[in-house]
Amino acid sequence: GNSVTQMEGPVTLSEEAFLTINCTYTATGYPSLFWYVQYPGEGLQLLLKATKADDKGSNKGFEATYRKETTSFHLEKGSVQVSDSAVYFCALSEGNNDMRFGAGTRLTVKP
Amino acid sequence: DAGVIQSPRHEVTEMGQEVTLRCKPISGHDYLFWYRQTMMRGLELLIYFNNNVPIDDSGMPEDRFSAKMPNASFSTLKIQPSEPRDSAVYFCASRRQGANYGYTFGSGTRLTVV
Repeated sequence: GNSVTQMEGPVTLSEEAFLTINCTYTATGYPSLFWYVQYPGEGLQLLLKATKADDKGSNKGFEATYRKETTSFHLEKGSVQVSDSAVYFCALSEGNNDMRFGAGTRLTVKP
Repeated sequence: DAGVIQSPRHEVTEMGQEVTLRCKPISGHDYLFWYRQTMMRGLELLIYFNNNVPIDDSGMPEDRFSAKMPNASFSTLKIQPSEPRDSAVYFCASRRQGANYGYTFGSGTRLTVV
C-alpha cells in the first residue's frame, strides 16, 4: 500500500542555517504530495503541495520538488528562523483514499 | 471561513466517564477525518466519513469508541467508558473531494483521563 518515510528527528539548527528534511514515498499510482507543519499546541497546517511529477511547491520560503524518479519530496529552506521551530509532516494522497502521513520530524532552531 | 472548529479545546475527565468530542467541518468539504495524536504512537487515523457516511473505521481502537456524522456540518467522537490510556490530542480534519486537496485540521481537543 501507499506509505511515506521521512527522516527521523529531532533536527537542531542555528538560525540562518540551511534546512533539508528528507521524505520518500511508496505509491501504486500518481499521488499528490504534501508537507504539513504543526506548531506547539496547534493542529497541522498545510505548508505546501505538489500534484504531479516535477512540480515544485513553495510557501514561506520553504520548497519541495516532486521527484518521481527517486520517489522523493524533500523539504528545503535556505535560511531558517527561530519561528520555524515546529514538527513537519510529509504526506501522500491518492484517489479518494485517506492521506498517509509520515511520522513527523521535529525541528528546533536556536538563535 | 472559520476553518474546522473543534470543541472543547481541553477536557479532563475521570476514568469510566463518557466523553464527547465535537467537530464542525468546513462548509462544502465532503470528507471528515478523526485522528488521535500521542507521543508514543504519533498521528493515528481513527475513522473517516464521505458525505456523512463512515467509510473506514478500522482505526477505532475498540468498541468504547464511536463516531457519528448526522449531517454535513457536525460530527462527534464518543468514548464510553473512558480510560487513562485514551489521553491524547484528538484532531478533526476535513477536505474537498479529490486527492489534490489538502486537509484542513482543527485545533484539536486535548483529552486527559485521570
